[in-house]
Amino acid sequence: GAGVSQSPSNKVTEKGKDVELRCDPISGHTALYWYRQSLGQGLEFLIYFQGNSAPDKSGLPSDRFSAERTGGSVSTLTIQRTQQEDSAVYLCASSLRLAGGPYQETQYFGPGTRLLVL
Amino acid sequence: SQQGEEDPQALSIQEGENATMNCSYKTSINNLQWYRQNSGRGLVHLILIRSNEREKHSGRLRVTLDTSKKSSSLLITASRAADTASYFCATDDAYNTDKLIFGTGTRLQVFP
Repeated sequence: GAGVSQSPSNKVTEKGKDVELRCDPISGHTALYWYRQSLGQGLEFLIYFQGNSAPDKSGLPSDRFSAERTGGSVSTLTIQRTQQEDSAVYLCASSLRLAGGPYQETQYFGPGTRLLVL
Repeated sequence: SQQGEEDPQALSIQEGENATMNCSYKTSINNLQWYRQNSGRGLVHLILIRSNEREKHSGRLRVTLDTSKKSSSLLITASRAADTASYFCATDDAYNTDKLIFGTGTRLQVFP
C-alpha cells in the first residue's frame, strides 16, 4: 500500500514569506507527527495529532508555526514570516497508535520536505 | 536535552566488519526503537524492543536493551556498503507515551 507522502519535496522561499507543507499519512493511521531536522542533527518533535483530539503543540518553536489536520487525514504545517533559521528538513510520520495507548508504536515516515529560507 | 543520545557520533568501517552503535536515555520507557535514515530523508523503522525484553534479532541486526543502565546497542553484523546511513534510537517516556524522542544519531560509513 501507499506510504506517507509529503509535498513539496523541496521548497526555496525568501525570508518573511509564508510556506505550507503537506503530509498525507497512511490510510487508517490515527496518529500523525511532524518533526524538524536541521542539518546533521537529530529529529525535533513539533506537533502530534491523535484522531479528532486537540493536538499536542508542545514542540512548536514559535507562534509562527501552526498545523492542522483535516478530516483526521491530511495535515498541513504552516510557517509564517519564515526566518533563515527555519531552514531544515520537515518530516511527517504516522502510526496506528490508539488514543491512550500504553506505548508507542512504529512510526512510518514520509520522505520529508527540504525547506531553504534565503 | 535529548532523551536518547547515541555514540559514537560517526563510525567508519570496512565491508564485512561488524558495526556497534550505542544509545543512552534518561527516563523509564515502555519500548525503544531503532531507525535508519539515508541521505537526510525519511526514516525507516528497523526494530522495536520492549522494556521487558533484553535482546532481539532481525536478520543481520541485533539489539540489546539494559533498562538498569538505560542503554541499548544496535549491532549490524557483516556490514555492507548499502548499510551506510544514519542510525537513530527513539524512546517513548513511560509516563508520556504520546511521542517518541529521538537521539542525535550515529553516522555509519561502510567502505567497500
